[in-house]
Amino acid sequence: DGGITQSPKYLFRKEGQNVTLSCEQNLNHDAMYWYRQDPGQGLRLIYYSQIVNDFQKGDIAEGYSVSREKKESFPLTVTSAQKNPTAFYLCASSIRESGELFFGEGSRLTVL
Amino acid sequence: QKEVEQNSGPLSVPEGAIASLNCTYSDRVSQSFFWYRQYSGKSPELIMSIYSNGDKEDGRFTAQLNKASQYVSLLIRDSQPSDSATYLCAGVAGGTSYGKLTFGQGTILTVHP
Repeated sequence: DGGITQSPKYLFRKEGQNVTLSCEQNLNHDAMYWYRQDPGQGLRLIYYSQIVNDFQKGDIAEGYSVSREKKESFPLTVTSAQKNPTAFYLCASSIRESGELFFGEGSRLTVL
Repeated sequence: QKEVEQNSGPLSVPEGAIASLNCTYSDRVSQSFFWYRQYSGKSPELIMSIYSNGDKEDGRFTAQLNKASQYVSLLIRDSQPSDSATYLCAGVAGGTSYGKLTFGQGTILTVHP
């Protein structure tokens, strides 16, 4: 079945450590996105990518980095520079010229 | 004004009633609109999209868009307990890339038996 796979689902990190969240899709979608959700809030865009080897900053990119070496994969690194990284991270994808997003199950990051 | 703002909620309706969820938006977010449903602890799923003025119906769901008033709404008829979730309104900014959505803060809906 086609879909988006995020891993890990739960992750604990000590302050000062970088962590990488995986996102893989087999929907053959061109565009991929990373959103962050804090309790009781909507989603905020971190990074997005429309094609391989290209990506753009979203509204809250500081402290995060991404790569898009393959169409299927869009990993997100939460660096030690991110001041408040505890959140629910959602990866999504869409076909070209569509605003309809398909989401992965999310990764919940907690900084100890 | 926030780019996409939803009525604050939470909203509680009895089973079988109509639930009305509302969203207003700024000039920057004016192209297309989407409603996502998010169950507690889960990821959002798309339930409705609307691209032009008027109503769009899909089963028990009706999305309404009024560009003159900068207003978009979602009506859920014959509400069921399984409709209890957070509903997120999202819009695409004019002239920007597809899928770069701006989300409202969400409205929590509870349907009680």
